[in-house]
Amino acid sequence: GAGVSQSPSNKVTEKGKDVELRCDPISGHTALYWYRQSLGQGLEFLIYFQGNSAPDKSGLPSDRFSAERTGGSVSTLTIQRTQQEDSAVYLCASSHDMRNTQYFGPGTRLTVL
Amino acid sequence: DQQVKQNSPSLSVQEGRISILNCDYTNSMFDYFLWYKKYPAEGPTFLISISSIKDKNEDGRFTVFLNKSAKHLSLHIVPSQPGDSAVYFCAASITGNQFYFGTGTSLTVIP
Repeated sequence: GAGVSQSPSNKVTEKGKDVELRCDPISGHTALYWYRQSLGQGLEFLIYFQGNSAPDKSGLPSDRFSAERTGGSVSTLTIQRTQQEDSAVYLCASSHDMRNTQYFGPGTRLTVL
Repeated sequence: DQQVKQNSPSLSVQEGRISILNCDYTNSMFDYFLWYKKYPAEGPTFLISISSIKDKNEDGRFTVFLNKSAKHLSLHIVPSQPGDSAVYFCAASITGNQFYFGTGTSLTVIP
């Protein structure tokens, strides 16, 4: 079956612009996570969604970051007024529930000039 | 504040020998640990996990050891194969909530 997909695979933007990153999880997975990996850093948790519960936004680094998950499936991570320090690979993962193995997408490489 | 640490950024091993990747954590509340493997331009893929109620979990060539008193986790790959060359991340969580990842160790298996 299809895995987790993310689009775009690469995004180059100018400082101050808004970007939207998309994640299509594996069908039927109720949990969806967003992470980012900056150069030389580990994977940094951003936000997760579990079913219809309110998302855990505790990892979002600033109020310029937001995410939504429509219909319990596709998720969009939005970064407003991008800064150069936002440059990273943004990874999405989904799982059957919180405790199960997470399946990762290939990531979106964001470069803010 | 890095709660999960992989202090070796890289490791080189001869084909056929054992690869040992190490991971240390600081939060004694972590109860679930995982290892992921990542090839360039791909997302991480799950490799093996261990619950805090166990001290060893084995899956084929891969074995994960957990030493709770030392807050130390290790992944053993034996025998190592060139296809094992990748970046390995360890991760920890509390009851499957937020997952905390290490910075990764790049393993090179030399043919």
